[in-house]
Amino acid sequence: HVQLVQSGAEVKKPGASVKLSCKASGYTFTRHYIHWVRQAPGQGLEWMGIILPSGGITSYAQKFMGRVAMTMDTSTSTVYMEVNSLKSEDTAVYFCARAGAARPSSYFDYWGQGTLVTVAS
Amino acid sequence: SYVLTQPPSVSVAPGQTARMTCGGSKLGSKSLHWYQQKPGQAPVLVVYDDNARPSGIPERFSGSKSGNTATLTISRAEAGDEADYYCQVWDASSDQVFGGGTKLTVL
Repeated sequence: HVQLVQSGAEVKKPGASVKLSCKASGYTFTRHYIHWVRQAPGQGLEWMGIILPSGGITSYAQKFMGRVAMTMDTSTSTVYMEVNSLKSEDTAVYFCARAGAARPSSYFDYWGQGTLVTVAS
Repeated sequence: SYVLTQPPSVSVAPGQTARMTCGGSKLGSKSLHWYQQKPGQAPVLVVYDDNARPSGIPERFSGSKSGNTATLTISRAEAGDEADYYCQVWDASSDQVFGGGTKLTVL
């Protein structure tokens, strides 16, 4: 069965970077886009970007351009997201989610369990 | 940027029908998806492409769309349906967009 397993919680200081991982299993890794979505405490869902594991093609929300980088390792079926220049406002739970269909208007059919990133001095 | 508007909260009595809306410009031409999120958990897809239901989602959950408004309907509401519900679309200028979410209370 399809699973997305994310790395553990992180605590970082302002200005630092964090690299999160999302390990996929139960399906052909290269056939589905992976999205990253975050949720600040008590807030809604915010889309951050997308990566296609088959070729490493990425697209980021304008808000995160230049501060976020998504990469993948097909040998371990793992997607990574690095967020740089962390601010307190980046404190959130970060989710990876699989696109269910090969089109921009796709839904997210499987989600990771989320990784809490806390940014505090 | 594209905006999806959801009411902050909806209440329903157990066994009754809950309806929550999601509005957006030119929504009729977009594929709309709904997610349920319980506290401390990841979202779960409950309706995709306006009105399709993933396997494992009860038939009590249904989606519809009319004009610029989409509706998620939960029939015979149960205590276990209490959650936040988010709608989501893709927009060519804004990419993936989520609504602000609706908190469903079953009381």
